[in-house]
Amino acid sequence: GENVEQHPSTLSVQEGDSAVIKCTYSDSASNYFPWYKQELGKGPQLIIDIRSNVGEKKDQRIAVTLNKTAKHFSLHITETQPEDSAVYFCAATFPGQAGTALIFGKGTTLSVSS
Amino acid sequence: DVKVTQSSRYLVKRTGEKVFLECVQDMDHENMFWYRQDPGLGLRLIYFSYDVKMKEKGDIPEGYSVSREKKERFSLILESASTNQTSMYLCASYGGGRETQYFGPGTRLLVL
Repeated sequence: GENVEQHPSTLSVQEGDSAVIKCTYSDSASNYFPWYKQELGKGPQLIIDIRSNVGEKKDQRIAVTLNKTAKHFSLHITETQPEDSAVYFCAATFPGQAGTALIFGKGTTLSVSS
Repeated sequence: DVKVTQSSRYLVKRTGEKVFLECVQDMDHENMFWYRQDPGLGLRLIYFSYDVKMKEKGDIPEGYSVSREKKERFSLILESASTNQTSMYLCASYGGGRETQYFGPGTRLLVL
């Protein structure tokens, strides 16, 4: 079935370092790839997304890269801060007959220590 | 701003009880989703709906049903709650020509 693999499951960095989270997907028809951040006790919040016609997108300290040929995409956070500590989920679209659902990776717990 | 609200943040129910989880969105979105979130398993799709009265099974529909009588409201029903349905339940919606899914704050359900 359709699948999104996410690595690593946990990531610990020092404040100011960069963090990279990687995902691979199985459905070559997927064309939309969002990243969500979930803080404790809250629902996931979209932080950045990318579509298949773009190879890279950046928003301040956050960037996402996409390699459609290899079917993988990555989240890059530069100059990490303690408030970046959260669980991050990648996702990919799964076009179906009745609509489009997202398939999520299992999440990465990012810890930024000061 | 899109707002997705869920009727309860925390619920405690007994095994065998019928449980209703309500989700309301205020952006006239056509598509609504119910996920459950468990440690190490990420978000798994239970059911989704792409229009009023329409529903589609997700990856783990067993033990659940849904109802979408009005566009803004999507209900998840546990006909007879079991302890393995203890979980965090998340509702999401999208529409208006955009694919971004917006999530509610979640309902943490404990079945005793």
